[in-house]
Amino acid sequence: SQQGEEDPQALSIQEGENATMNCSYKTSINNLQWYRQNSGRGLVHLILIRSNEREKHSGRLRVTLDTSKKSSSLLITASRAADTASYFCATAGNYQLIWGAGTKLIIKP
Amino acid sequence: GAVVSQHPSWVICKSGTSVKIECRSLDFQATTMFWYRQFPKQSLMLMATSNEGSKATYEQGVEKDKFLINHASLTLSTLTVTSAHPEDSSFYICSAQNLGLTNYGYTFGSGTRLTVV
Repeated sequence: SQQGEEDPQALSIQEGENATMNCSYKTSINNLQWYRQNSGRGLVHLILIRSNEREKHSGRLRVTLDTSKKSSSLLITASRAADTASYFCATAGNYQLIWGAGTKLIIKP
Repeated sequence: GAVVSQHPSWVICKSGTSVKIECRSLDFQATTMFWYRQFPKQSLMLMATSNEGSKATYEQGVEKDKFLINHASLTLSTLTVTSAHPEDSSFYICSAQNLGLTNYGYTFGSGTRLTVV
C-alpha cells in the first residue's frame, strides 16, 4: 500500500514546549487520522479530521488539514513527558488506512 | 466504546513452529479486519484485509501460505504465522472497521509482539 510522508522523522523538545508534526499524502481522502504509539504497544487513536474540515481541536491537540496541499499537521501544546511516543498519520480512502512513516517525539524533562 | 481484543500480547516461539494471533471485536460487528506488521522503527505495513466469510486479500509481497488469515465470524479474525522463522519476528496489529461509528472509525488491537528464536 502507498505510504504518506511525515516530517520530521524525529523531534526532541523540552517539556512545556509545543511540538508540531506534519504529514503529507498522495491520494484523495475521506478523512485523516492521527495515532500515537508508545514503544512496543498498540496504536491509540488521537483525532480524526474529515476532508471537509480544516482544523480540529482535542484537549492539547490541534490538527489542521489542507487538502489542496495534501498535508496535515498535528500540534501538541504544552508538551509533557508522557507525550513521548511515535505519532502516525493515516489517511482513509474508500476502505483502508494508508500510513505515514511516523514521527518519534521525545519530550525532555 | 468499541474495543478490539488482540491475543496474545506477546509470544516467543521456536523456529519452525506456528503461532496463531486472535483478534476479536468485543462490542461491534467487524465485517472487515486488517492485519498490519511493524518492524522496529518503521511504520505499519498492511499485510492483508479480511472480510467475514471470504478469503483475505493480501498485499503484494505477503506470502499467503505463510500468513494464514481466517475471518470466520463477524467478531473474530485470526492470523497464523506458519513455520515461523526469526525474520518473522515483528509486531503484529489488527484493526477492525466499525461501520457503526459515524466516522467509520477503525479500532485497533493492542498488538502482538512475536519473537521467533
